[in-house]
Amino acid sequence: EAGVAQSPRYKIIEKRQSVAFWCNPISGHATLYWYQQILGQGPKLLIQFQNNGVVDDSQLPKDRFSAERLKGVDSTLKIQPAKLEDSAVYLCASSTFRGGNTGELFFGEGSRLTVL
Amino acid sequence: AQRVTQPEKLLSVFKGAPVELKCNYSYSGSPELFWYVQYSRQRLQLLLRHISRESIKGFTADLNKGETSFHLKKPFAQEEDSAMYYCALSPYSGAGSYQLTFGKGTKLSVIP
Repeated sequence: EAGVAQSPRYKIIEKRQSVAFWCNPISGHATLYWYQQILGQGPKLLIQFQNNGVVDDSQLPKDRFSAERLKGVDSTLKIQPAKLEDSAVYLCASSTFRGGNTGELFFGEGSRLTVL
Repeated sequence: AQRVTQPEKLLSVFKGAPVELKCNYSYSGSPELFWYVQYSRQRLQLLLRHISRESIKGFTADLNKGETSFHLKKPFAQEEDSAMYYCALSPYSGAGSYQLTFGKGTKLSVIP
């Protein structure tokens, strides 16, 4: 079974520039999450999708962050304009949504963003 | 609002010694608790969940609702246990999806 795919793995930009991250979840997984992990901290949920609808985006800084999951499969997370404090690893995860859901999230390798 | 606290950033133990990674939580409802682990150069992955009450790689964790704790324990540490461990909480979802809140993590280092 192929895992969650993310790209790019690394990105360095200057503040005020824009960046986009892509995620392809495990086939058949209806739920997709984007987490932000700042160095020394645990992952923090930014947005959760159920198919192509948003379940929770309460912690997404909507003035600069946006995310979409067209067709309920792939997802893109965009930051525009980036700030220094956006330097972090952006993790994508997916899980099933049905009875018997074990609560297991499957994570990608992450996209490490450095904002200079 | 839910919160997960892992008081130790780093825990070093000798091989063969017992291990206890502490996790405390605050949540007003009925939570589900999990331990996730990240080995060096690997992805974050589920280690165990309190509902399953199973032992994975020799690790166990008991949910203590009175003390709002979910400590991870192993009687004899192995070198391959060295990793970053995250405690996580989700509101009970029934047949729905999960929303995990993670602690800051504890780095376990097992000394040979």
